[in-house]
Amino acid sequence: DAKTTQPPSMDCAEGRAANLPCNHSTISGNEYVYWYRQIHSQGPQYIIHGLKNNETNEMASLIITEDRKSSTLILPHATLRDTAVYYCIVHRGGSNYKLTFGKGTLLTVNP
Amino acid sequence: DAGVIQSPRHEVTEMGQEVTLRCKLISGHNSLFWYRQTMMRGLELLIYFNNNVPIDDSGMPEDRFSAKMPNASFSTLKIQPSEPRDSAVYFCASTQQGVGGYTFGSGTRLTVV
Repeated sequence: DAKTTQPPSMDCAEGRAANLPCNHSTISGNEYVYWYRQIHSQGPQYIIHGLKNNETNEMASLIITEDRKSSTLILPHATLRDTAVYYCIVHRGGSNYKLTFGKGTLLTVNP
Repeated sequence: DAGVIQSPRHEVTEMGQEVTLRCKLISGHNSLFWYRQTMMRGLELLIYFNNNVPIDDSGMPEDRFSAKMPNASFSTLKIQPSEPRDSAVYFCASTQQGVGGYTFGSGTRLTVV
């Protein structure tokens, strides 16, 4: 699976959009981009994933650049409960279905 | 759906004792993963199963660790004998292969003294 690079930490004001970047310049054509988050003392939580097209669900939006070398997770209206470590993972899927977590980005939402 | 259920939530044991961690998968999920999390090493994949069969156990630290899936809905992770360096939070996660993301349990916080 391709390696990802994320900033170690970011801050966001409550009610504003949080935009979390991820670089995955070595991604191959059949690899998906997954986002998870881990709130303190809880298990990681799946947020969203995508291959080429932008994706949106009730939690967030995922924007993938046309060359697929980077992506951005958008939390449109961040709340204090969104303070967590956010992990961007590139993964092929299929039969080799294991995810490797890096260090992620600690997002702190401030009042 | 009750989600992935892990037990116990907390375990404190003495060095040398056997420890068994338990995980109940979400109904219909056919892949099961055990992770360990520490401050130093982050989230590490220990082992994963597809359809009750162990697929990759390369992350299991040593022979003291073993994992089983006696049926499609249940798994155990055993440490025998336990050591202080095994202290960590152990998570299990399940998924239906090829569909969406993993669902993680709440974890077991293991302390070996």
